[in-house]
Amino acid sequence: AQKVTQAQTEISVVEKEDVTLDCVYETRDTTYYLFWYKQPPSGELVFLIRRNSFDEQNEISGRYSWNFQKSTSSFNFTITASQVVDSAVYFCALSEESHGQNFVFGPGTRLSVLP
Amino acid sequence: NAGVTQTPKFRVLKTGQSMTLLCAQDMNHEYMYWYRQDPGMGLRLIHYSVGEGTTAKGEVPDGYNVSRLKKQNFLLGLESAAPSQTSVYFCASSYIGSWYEQYFGPGTRLTVT
Repeated sequence: AQKVTQAQTEISVVEKEDVTLDCVYETRDTTYYLFWYKQPPSGELVFLIRRNSFDEQNEISGRYSWNFQKSTSSFNFTITASQVVDSAVYFCALSEESHGQNFVFGPGTRLSVLP
Repeated sequence: NAGVTQTPKFRVLKTGQSMTLLCAQDMNHEYMYWYRQDPGMGLRLIHYSVGEGTTAKGEVPDGYNVSRLKKQNFLLGLESAAPSQTSVYFCASSYIGSWYEQYFGPGTRLTVT
């Protein structure tokens, strides 16, 4: 069965601090995909990144970076030099190739960046 | 482009009433989804569609029906609403070539009393 755990319910940091959001997943498939989505206060989720199970290279996009480790079944998300605009709920999600379009989302982590 | 739109934005129903939520997208996406979001549980997939005239069950399909008669529209129906269906409902769509990048609507907040 597929499952996504985000143990951090809420995190508060002061602007310019670095912050890491944890994501741990469970799957029996060898082919699967991992995602991060951002839900700002406006409510609409925004896609951030996708990783497939065969690509363990870390990804960096500006102040955002992602660390995928199959050995620990984790796909963590780090924001460097956080800004107030980063305040949002962040969701990690999983899709197994055997389940097609059946996405499973984690419960989300609410990040508050204080000025 | 309007992207993904949802109608209505808010609704209050009494137990046993029925209603239909409408999702429309103008991006010519093949895939469409309905999710519900509840506190502490993230998003859970209700139903999805990989093309016009086809639908499939997601993680929590009970109590809901869907139809995709036109490619741009995906309807979610509640035949007999229950308080457990109080939630925020999100529609999403994605392009077959980049199916993983879902575009979400603004959500519909439904309260069942």
